[in-house]
Amino acid sequence: EDQVTQSPEALRLQEGESSSLNCSYTVSGLRGLFWYRQDPGKGPEFLFTLYSAGEEKEKERLKATLTKKESFLHITAPKPEDSATYLCAVQAAYNTDKLIFGTGTRLQVFP
Amino acid sequence: GAGVSQSPSNKVTEKGKDVELRCDPISGHTALYWYRQSLGQGLEFLIYFQGNSAPDKSGLPSDRFSAERTGGSVSTLTIQRTEQRDSAMYRCASSQGDYNQPQHFGDGTRLSIL
Repeated sequence: EDQVTQSPEALRLQEGESSSLNCSYTVSGLRGLFWYRQDPGKGPEFLFTLYSAGEEKEKERLKATLTKKESFLHITAPKPEDSATYLCAVQAAYNTDKLIFGTGTRLQVFP
Repeated sequence: GAGVSQSPSNKVTEKGKDVELRCDPISGHTALYWYRQSLGQGLEFLIYFQGNSAPDKSGLPSDRFSAERTGGSVSTLTIQRTEQRDSAMYRCASSQGDYNQPQHFGDGTRLSIL
């Protein structure tokens, strides 16, 4: 069964304290892995798509990496405005109609 | 530009009533998706529309759930004879249609069944 597991469930960081969020996946042929940011009361906001192992994407303080079994979202020197829930989703090659989501990591960054 | 718009933002109804949730996708997006997000759960796929093709209904949890998309634009998700377990956030997303294009989400409709 296709599955996405994110860890940790929640993460509290001091401003400037770098860390990583993990997304482990099991899917029959990965077409793409997507990272989203979700603020309270809002819909998920697209961040990155990764397609193949070894690929990396960066945006401001965020960098996403991909291996054959997991993806990491690295946050460098986070700021309070980076506080949000980060969602990971995979798209299977056999069914590109839908995304399979993890339950997210809730990140809080304190000044 | 305008994003995905969903209405109503909140809906409270009694068990057994029918409800309709509306989604206005981003202009020009040919693909439209419905997901459900329950407390503590990840987003769960419900249904997918792409252009004039037959929709992928594989995620609909029961025959009480249906959706249509008129004119390739606005979509309505209908839940008949609602049950308390239908309470959740219902989210709509749209994309440019190519499978590797990201899905863009609306802010959702929070449905509460009393």
